[in-house]
Amino acid sequence: GAGVSQSPSNKVTEKGKDVELRCDPISGHTALYWYRQSLGQGLEFLIYFQGNSAPDKSGLPSDRFSAERTGGSVSTLTIQRTQQEDSAVYLCASSPQGNRGNTIYFGEGSWLTVV
Amino acid sequence: DAKTTQPTSMDCAEGRAANLPCNHSTISGNEYVYWYRQIHSQGPQYIIHGLKNNETNEMASLIITEDRKSSTLILPHATLRDTAVYYCIVGRQSTGANNLFFGTGTRLTVIP
Repeated sequence: GAGVSQSPSNKVTEKGKDVELRCDPISGHTALYWYRQSLGQGLEFLIYFQGNSAPDKSGLPSDRFSAERTGGSVSTLTIQRTQQEDSAVYLCASSPQGNRGNTIYFGEGSWLTVV
Repeated sequence: DAKTTQPTSMDCAEGRAANLPCNHSTISGNEYVYWYRQIHSQGPQYIIHGLKNNETNEMASLIITEDRKSSTLILPHATLRDTAVYYCIVGRQSTGANNLFFGTGTRLTVIP
């Protein structure tokens, strides 16, 4: 597709269950980002992938959070043993190499509700 | 990466220019200033970016002070659809670990 695609768009899960959120970046973009946004809050950086380099995981809030990016394209963010405070919209973004540099393109987000 | 400071909220009359300030006093020489906006319930949208010179595109103008410690995003003729949260962020333009840190932004409300 033309833009960053995320799925599911909405997810309601029970506390303690694991969830997987998927991101399909724009074709050819080498950088991929995950952010989290709680209601009424700013964007919180989670993790960053750039090409074949080791990902920057400095924003992951706990070891219940992990992410992988297979084949330099699709990424999956996994939250284990979900807690109510994990409820937020999880935004994926990608950016190209080249002179647009840090111009990043966001998906519409996956809205997670933990009940 | 440098942190930024923005007012929490601003109002602007429809049809008037909206001037959104941003302070980035610790910006380093190789860091760009980027502006994004987020309309309610949507993903953030890129607006404009710059290094030293003022920039203009179809959406907005970016004015960066000579010492690069602050900048202003200008929406020349604000419309109701410009009501959004506007994020000013700084980051390096490189292929390294150049993640971007968003703050809480400025909530711009365009008033009819």
